[in-house]
Amino acid sequence: QSVLTQAPSVSGAPGQRVTISCTGSTSNIGAGYDVHWYQQLPGAAPKLLIYGNNNRPSGVPDRFSGSRSGTSASLAITGLQAEDEADYYCQSYDNDLSGSVFGGGTILTVL
Amino acid sequence: EVQLVESGGGLVQPGGSLRLSCAVSGFTFNNFAMTWVRQAPGKGLEWVAVISGSGSSIYYADSVKGRFTISRDTSKNTVYLQMSSLRVEDTAIYYCARGPTWYVWEYIQHWGQGTRVTVSS
Repeated sequence: QSVLTQAPSVSGAPGQRVTISCTGSTSNIGAGYDVHWYQQLPGAAPKLLIYGNNNRPSGVPDRFSGSRSGTSASLAITGLQAEDEADYYCQSYDNDLSGSVFGGGTILTVL
Repeated sequence: EVQLVESGGGLVQPGGSLRLSCAVSGFTFNNFAMTWVRQAPGKGLEWVAVISGSGSSIYYADSVKGRFTISRDTSKNTVYLQMSSLRVEDTAIYYCARGPTWYVWEYIQHWGQGTRVTVSS
């Protein structure tokens, strides 16, 4: 069981908007620790998508956005494209575990 | 260009040991924290260990504490993960990764391609 909870899968049609949630607790997201998001394409290493809750590294399209509220965070993808089909992971710090934690991952399927 | 190249993976028996290496280039090595993250077959990402830019701060996941040791050699621009008392559940792809600064609790900015470790009899 991951400390950060993500839905196992989400899907959407091309052009649609989808959101991926990441639910934590008062020892991680709720304690104010930043949330980061990674995209992992099939057979590839993960890639940084969003850092510090809502910041995009250079090269990441503005179709991707992040937010954090209370003990949860969300990744939104607008204008869904076929190449967005991947696994998405959230990450934060947990002070009960004194370490970094990842969500279990969400598989995004573009219909 | 930042490059992280892992090596040292392979097949090892339960109870055995293995040392993973991650050779880095394209940046000033001791200015950045380095992390190991693993991914079991068909599973999600699991944070394993992190070492600060200076090497003075080191932290481990509970699942590997006491069995794995992370270290770095500035003269070789290499970070290591010494793994001992290996278990079947340690089977995974091990990724070497770099943070944005020397601080250990940042996001992962760059990832290596990973090295596969299989623990099996």
